[in-house]
Amino acid sequence: ETGVTQTPRHLVMGMTNKKSLKCEQHLGHNAMYWYKQSAKKPLELMFVYNFKEQTENNSVPSRFSPECPNSSHLFLHLHTLQPEDSALYLCASSQEFVGSYEQYFGPGTRLTVT
Amino acid sequence: RKEVEQDPGPFNVPEGATVAFNCTYSNSASQSFFWYRQDCRKEPKLLMSVYSSGNEDGRFTAQLNRASQYISLLIRDSKLSDSATYLCVVINSGGYQKVTFGIGTKLQVIP
Repeated sequence: ETGVTQTPRHLVMGMTNKKSLKCEQHLGHNAMYWYKQSAKKPLELMFVYNFKEQTENNSVPSRFSPECPNSSHLFLHLHTLQPEDSALYLCASSQEFVGSYEQYFGPGTRLTVT
Repeated sequence: RKEVEQDPGPFNVPEGATVAFNCTYSNSASQSFFWYRQDCRKEPKLLMSVYSSGNEDGRFTAQLNRASQYISLLIRDSKLSDSATYLCVVINSGGYQKVTFGIGTKLQVIP
């Protein structure tokens, strides 16, 4: 049981659809993250928000658009995705975006792009 | 060379065995190191941080070797419940923080 929730847990979408993933943390943390986990690949950090400000964007395609309205909520807006975007998308939070803090992960959204 | 490298395994070991995993990193300026555990179809969870002096938590021991740029995880008296994928995480500081995960090492403990 973690303090990070994600919805939906599963999502199937066509390449022309627009959808959003939602993440909420109940831990009072100031940093939130989006990761992508594909089969046989390491977790890839996509975006980091620290105190609601985006601090990292690891060359993620513009078809992924993050939004952090407050320190407890994080969204990932998806549009015109490609089949290779099918993966597990994990949200995480930590006290701050500093290396010594533990990251708490949500259960993930398993995305399939058809 | 990859920034963080792990042997993906699987490591199949009998119950009660001792097993060790290594994780090598390429950036000598890396400052923080962690081991996370990920069960099948679940999210990663922190297993332990890795301190310069090494640290132990029950059956688990983590060590850092800066000279050779690797961290290790030793599991003694393996239990069936230890079956999982163990992810190495390396944090680089400097101009900005960079979080890099290894691909993970899969452990299967066999009865």
